[in-house]
Amino acid sequence: EPEVTQTPSHQVTQMGQEVILRCVPISNHLYFYWYRQILGQKVEFLVSFYNNEISEKSEIFDDQFSVERPDGSNFTLKIRSTKLEDSAMYFCARQIPGLALYEQYFGPGTRLTVT
Amino acid sequence: AQTVTQSQPEMSVQEAETVTLSCTYDTSESNYYLFWYKQPPSRQMILVIRQEAYKQQNATENRFSVNFQKAAKSFSLKISDSQLGDTAMYFCAFMKPNAGNNRKLIWGLGTSLAVNP
Repeated sequence: EPEVTQTPSHQVTQMGQEVILRCVPISNHLYFYWYRQILGQKVEFLVSFYNNEISEKSEIFDDQFSVERPDGSNFTLKIRSTKLEDSAMYFCARQIPGLALYEQYFGPGTRLTVT
Repeated sequence: AQTVTQSQPEMSVQEAETVTLSCTYDTSESNYYLFWYKQPPSRQMILVIRQEAYKQQNATENRFSVNFQKAAKSFSLKISDSQLGDTAMYFCAFMKPNAGNNRKLIWGLGTSLAVNP
């Protein structure tokens, strides 16, 4: 299936710093999702993005977080002031129109370490 | 709210044997989708198989098949002829497809499967 890439693969940052995680899908994707997975815990939904707008966000997705598609291609998740508990794997996922509309395909993830 | 439960934190199987991973879920919806994802040590999340709730026939993808029991709200994954490369975390996930433009996945805690030579 079409690839989704995420950059960086690993980000180390200090508490209180801002980080931007990037997802680079193929341009005809309309549905995007961000999930996070704290080590050893379940995968959690953060936010969904449809047609360049947020369609739903979870309780976790507070004012600290934002998503954008600044250039119509890259899809970013920004964490404004990182906390220790933001350390996790962050996954971008996309759905493509068509027969497999309900299947989500994941990027390789960004491992965020907050020190 | 929907919940997904995987009651087996860890399992192991001998190479070439068959193993079944359990998943139960709770929902009041009649139409939904269920998925199994595999997460190997690389942490990549890989879709293994999908089941539509309106289909009675169990989904099959090569060595992977499911036993979908809608009334019991059970969705188990069977891996036949286990291979060393099947060693991974396996996650069961639920999706309600008609929720507007959002089709978020709701996840179980996962089952760590080790395939032994």
